Amino acid sequence: NAGVTQTPKFRVLKTGQSMTLLCAQDMNHEYMYWYRQDPGMGLRLIHYSVGEGTTAKGEVPDGYNVSRLKKQNFLLGLESAAPSQTSVYFCASSRLAGGPIETQYFGPGTRLLVL
Amino acid sequence: RKEVEQDPGPFNVPEGATVAFNCTYSNSASQSFFWYRQDCRKEPKLLMSVYSSGNEDGRFTAQLNRASQYISLLIRDSKLSDSATYLCVVLPGGGADGLTFGKGTHLIIQP
Repeated sequence: NAGVTQTPKFRVLKTGQSMTLLCAQDMNHEYMYWYRQDPGMGLRLIHYSVGEGTTAKGEVPDGYNVSRLKKQNFLLGLESAAPSQTSVYFCASSRLAGGPIETQYFGPGTRLLVL
Repeated sequence: RKEVEQDPGPFNVPEGATVAFNCTYSNSASQSFFWYRQDCRKEPKLLMSVYSSGNEDGRFTAQLNRASQYISLLIRDSKLSDSATYLCVVLPGGGADGLTFGKGTHLIIQP
């Protein structure tokens, strides 16, 4: 049981390049999330998914696209990278989004540097 | 709009001491509350959930005050391994759009 995994762990891009970050979970979770974490800003939600084939915008969705073609995978795409997208990206998953108790499990993060 | 606010610290505390953090939240409809721990360059991990009646897990005690809209975390007999950033996390009522994170409180336990 690997939990939540992310690939790649680290990437350097040039402005205007594109890339896809992959998140995979083996816990059969329904909900998956992409966050970015910047110094002094805390974790901010980019996009999320409440099930296979569904996606929704979070707090900071501009410049990103996502897809959830399979329940276990959640992809985050940058079509034309910008230096402002330099950040640490965390994927998370959870079984249910509501309810009195909810735990999100995080992947180890992807460090992205856009030059 | 600052939905979840924390003192960023750092809190420099000698080993063995007791330390407490508070966190305030603005959405009175928030349903669930958590403390996450994040080590340097690592992912956040759940430390404990915060129940209305308060709860304790070993050296850690969490309290919720809905009237004043704050939660607290108390660490007793602090260890060097407690050095980390502690994130206050709130689940807004109703929606599926994830958790709202505070920016974290940095704790340094000194030998």
